[in-house]
Amino acid sequence: SQKIEQNSEALNIQEGKTATLTCNYTNYSPAYLQWYRQDPGRGPVFLLLIRENEKEKRKERLKVTFDTTLKQSLFHITASQPADSATYLCALDITGFQKLVFGTGTRLLVSP
Amino acid sequence: NAGVTQTPKFQVLKTGQSMTLQCAQDMNHNSMYWYRQDPGMGLRLIYYSASEGTTDKGEVPNGYNVSRLNKREFSLRLESAAPSQTSVYFCASSDTSGSTDTQYFGPGTRLTVL
Repeated sequence: SQKIEQNSEALNIQEGKTATLTCNYTNYSPAYLQWYRQDPGRGPVFLLLIRENEKEKRKERLKVTFDTTLKQSLFHITASQPADSATYLCALDITGFQKLVFGTGTRLLVSP
Repeated sequence: NAGVTQTPKFQVLKTGQSMTLQCAQDMNHNSMYWYRQDPGMGLRLIYYSASEGTTDKGEVPNGYNVSRLNKREFSLRLESAAPSQTSVYFCASSDTSGSTDTQYFGPGTRLTVL
């Protein structure tokens, strides 16, 4: 069956360190992959999109990599801050028609 | 520019009652979506509408109906609510006519069915 896996355990890191979150998928050949941030009691907010022909994408302190051979995306936040504490969701478009399939998300906690 | 709005924010229903969740977007997006989010399950697509006048089932459509009233509005109806429909419901929209491939989400409706 089709599956997207994100670490269900919270990731705890210290302020200033780099946070790395993992998204693994099976049985898909996605056209692109997206990362969203979700704060408690709020809807997800789009952060970054990376296409299948791109290896890496950056936006300010955020970096996403996409390895279609390993079927894995890594999401990095450098110089992390307590304000980065949230749940981060990865999502795959498997049809090319914006029908996204979401992972369950990983909660990131950045302590001062 | 409000983005995606949803009403109500909270709702408590008894089993068997019906209700409609409302969603509107002011970004002129052609596609709209309804998701439910449950602990440990992530976001699951209930229905989506690729354009005004069209709707299609997502992963978990049973027990729900939708109406794409116009380009701005997309409603989700529970005809006979069941406790299994207790969840947080999110509406989203996207512009699939251009190169922007992102979905914009509303704040959610927290529904409890007793």
